[in-house]
Amino acid sequence: YVLTQPPSVSVAPGKTARITCGENNVADKSVHWYQQKPGQAPVLVIYYDSDRPSGIPDRFSGLNSGSTATLIIYRVEAGDEADYFCQVWDKNGDSWVFGGGTKLTVL
Amino acid sequence: QVQLLESGGGVVQPGTSLTLSCAASGFTFSSYGMHWVRQAPGKGLEWLAVIWYDGSKKFYADSVKGRFTISRDNSQQTLFLQLNTLRAEDTGVYYCARDFGAYHYIDIWGQGTLLSVSS
Repeated sequence: YVLTQPPSVSVAPGKTARITCGENNVADKSVHWYQQKPGQAPVLVIYYDSDRPSGIPDRFSGLNSGSTATLIIYRVEAGDEADYFCQVWDKNGDSWVFGGGTKLTVL
Repeated sequence: QVQLLESGGGVVQPGTSLTLSCAASGFTFSSYGMHWVRQAPGKGLEWLAVIWYDGSKKFYADSVKGRFTISRDNSQQTLFLQLNTLRAEDTGVYYCARDFGAYHYIDIWGQGTLLSVSS
């Protein structure tokens, strides 16, 4: 099972960033998203497609439909600059799969 | 405070073996499945292995199946990863992480331990 993410996304401060995670029938799975800043461990920002852990700003949102899941970051701030990874559990293969990651650059 | 602390990384030669450890604190370790995830320098996250809360099930990525072994000691709140026949491409940061939820996301990550395989 392969999850495809764009290598990079750029957005101006205050604008909306959209990071996609695609594969056939990804809507059949529950997609989770992680943020990783340089030199740090990943942090969960979205789980079950669109739920936010406590402490994650409500500027972070998620969608999952058709063949694409999307992490949406509203009113982007400089501190959002990081790598973002999507992840699913492939129960058919008993494996956990990460997307290749997307580097978000705040212009 | 929920915490995962990895140890055991370092510089090793190709072909050797090594065991990584992850000490858990701040939660009931025996109630959670646990993962190992690695990240090669400048690359993305690669899931390696998972072990069920009671050790009854273990699953591996194809890339490490047969070379790596995940295990746990619930009495010591510790997770292990035994790595055999190490290769240069095993170089990276190794994270232990806690599994959560019916759809198995990772809610807690350690800070990672760096392994360098080089002659």
